[in-house]
Amino acid sequence: DGGITQSPKYLFRKEGQNVTLSCEQNLNHDAMYWYRQDPGQGLRLIYYSQIVNDFQKGDIAEGYSVSREKKESFPLTVTSAQKNPTAFYLCASSTTGQGRGYTFGSGTRLTVV
Amino acid sequence: DAKTTQPNSMESNEEEPVHLPCNHSTISGTDYIHWYRQLPSQGPEYVIHGLTSNVNNRMASLAIAEDRKSSTLILHRATLRDAAVYYCTSNFGNEKLTFGTGTRLTIIP
Repeated sequence: DGGITQSPKYLFRKEGQNVTLSCEQNLNHDAMYWYRQDPGQGLRLIYYSQIVNDFQKGDIAEGYSVSREKKESFPLTVTSAQKNPTAFYLCASSTTGQGRGYTFGSGTRLTVV
Repeated sequence: DAKTTQPNSMESNEEEPVHLPCNHSTISGTDYIHWYRQLPSQGPEYVIHGLTSNVNNRMASLAIAEDRKSSTLILHRATLRDAAVYYCTSNFGNEKLTFGTGTRLTIIP
């Protein structure tokens, strides 16, 4: 079955360490997105990519980095520059063009101690 | 500010219809309106989307106002499994969807 996979589901890291969250999709979608969700809050866009080897900053990109070397993969690195990294991270993918719906992964809960 | 406005929370009795409202007054003529729902500790799930006409699928119906400044998600017969946070969203002329804080729907048995 086609879908989008995020791993790991839970991740613990020490403060000051960089950590990379994985996102893989086999839906043949061109576009991929990373969102952050804090308790009781909506989704805030970190980065998105419409095509391989190209990506754009979202609303809260500071302290994060991404790469898009393959169509299927869009890993997110949370760097030590991110002041408050503990959150629920969601990856999504879609086709491009008007009216496209998103398929979301099941999320990675990152806790920095 | 391009965004959607939804009530923070709503309650409904099981097996009753539920009408979830959303205002999106800054939407442009080519922006689709999307609805997603999210269970605790899970990723959002697509529910329905539409442009101008009312839309129906197996999960829900979407009623879009004639001026497109508001829409209503209709769950025809709520079950306990419909308890979730429901997000109304659009891309507001951009390349990505902008999500608000959604409506937390509680179903009363």
